[in-house]
Formats: sequence, structure tokens, C-alpha cells
Amino acid sequence: DTAVSQTPKYLVTQMGNDKSIKCEQNLGHDTMYWYKQDSKKFLKIMFSYNNKELIINETVPNRFSPKSPDKAHLNLHINSLELGDSAVYFCASTLNYNEQFFGPGTRLTVL
Amino acid sequence: DAKTTQPPSMDCAEGRAANLPCNHSTISGNEYVYWYRQIHSQGPQYIIHGLKNNETNEMASLIITEDRKSSTLILPHATLRDTAVYYCIVRVANNRDDKIIFGKGTRLHILP
Repeated sequence: DTAVSQTPKYLVTQMGNDKSIKCEQNLGHDTMYWYKQDSKKFLKIMFSYNNKELIINETVPNRFSPKSPDKAHLNLHINSLELGDSAVYFCASTLNYNEQFFGPGTRLTVL
Repeated sequence: DAKTTQPPSMDCAEGRAANLPCNHSTISGNEYVYWYRQIHSQGPQYIIHGLKNNETNEMASLIITEDRKSSTLILPHATLRDTAVYYCIVRVANNRDDKIIFGKGTRLHILP
């Protein structure tokens, strides 16, 4: 009964491809996030959604497009993948904007 | 940019209390101090947060100085599983527009 799950756990792909990472939470939370952790281990927020509404949209390339079909899911679609997109991507959710619950991460490697 | 300063690394013997310091001299009146940790290859995990009073839960205690310019996270009886990077974060609570900004954190090594 995983609280925040992500698929896939590992993703290896070629430059220029389009890929998606899926996130689901079964906690009943209204708000979900995507974070990126690069090779230097810096963890930065990318997006947040509240009840399918985009709340936070950091300065990320528009090749990254989050999609929230319902409040339990927040998927991340990445177009035209570049080498610099290689990182670990974490999904998170929260009920009250205090405690955020993070998923296990998706390690993306762009070759 | 992170609004906090933490030592890059610390060691602590297993079974002893681990005291992790954090400086946040520019904290605003409505900002809380949050602590998260990230165990290797896992997602970050919330530990505790507080405004000005000391806080304690099943994981840790948070001691905030009276002027609120610094705080200490205390793991009372550290175990090997507490080896992780610990992040001290300052942000407004209960605010959907206020994002968590992770700094470099403190890498805590629990020694057997």
C-alpha cells in the first residue's frame, strides 16, 4: 500500500525522444509536486498542482509538461529529451502544505 | 536560494544523540523551520517543523533559539538507519504558493 508511487523507476532513452513519468498517490491529498534532483544532488521544485490546477511553475523548459488527469495523479511528459535532463525526478504530495510525502524517484538517463 | 546554512557533514556514534545545527538569521516572523532528510537513493522524508516553541515527535526534537535565528534538530538515539542528508528549510506554513527550497543539507554519518 505505497503512499506515493512512480513509474518507471528507471528510464534510459536516447536524445530527442519523448517520454513520460507517472505519479500516483493514494493518500487523498489535493496537492502534488514534481522535483528534479541533478547529479550534484540539488533538489529543485519544478511544478505543483492543486486539484488539477497549476499552482507553481518554476523556470523549466517548455519541453516539460505536467498533466493532472485527477487529483490523485500527476504525470510528467518530456519532449525532445536532452542530455541535461538526466536526473532523478521525484513526485510528492501534501494535504496541508506542511508535510510533503515523496515518491521513490525515477532515475532518467538520456544517452 | 536557500535561506539556511548547515555544516556540510557530521559524524555521530550509534546510540548517541545527533545534534544537527542550522542557521537562519534572516527568517521572517511568519516563517517556520522545517526539517527533511534523504536516505541514499530514496525520496526526502519529512521529520518535523516548528515556529518558535520547541517541538518533539516520534522521530526527533526541534530546538529553536529565542531569537529564532538558529535551530537544532536532535535525533535522541541515532541508529545506522539515520545516516542520511538532513535539510533545514525555512518557509511559510500552510501556504500553497510557498515552495520548499532545498539547500545542500548536512550529510550525517552514524558510526557503528
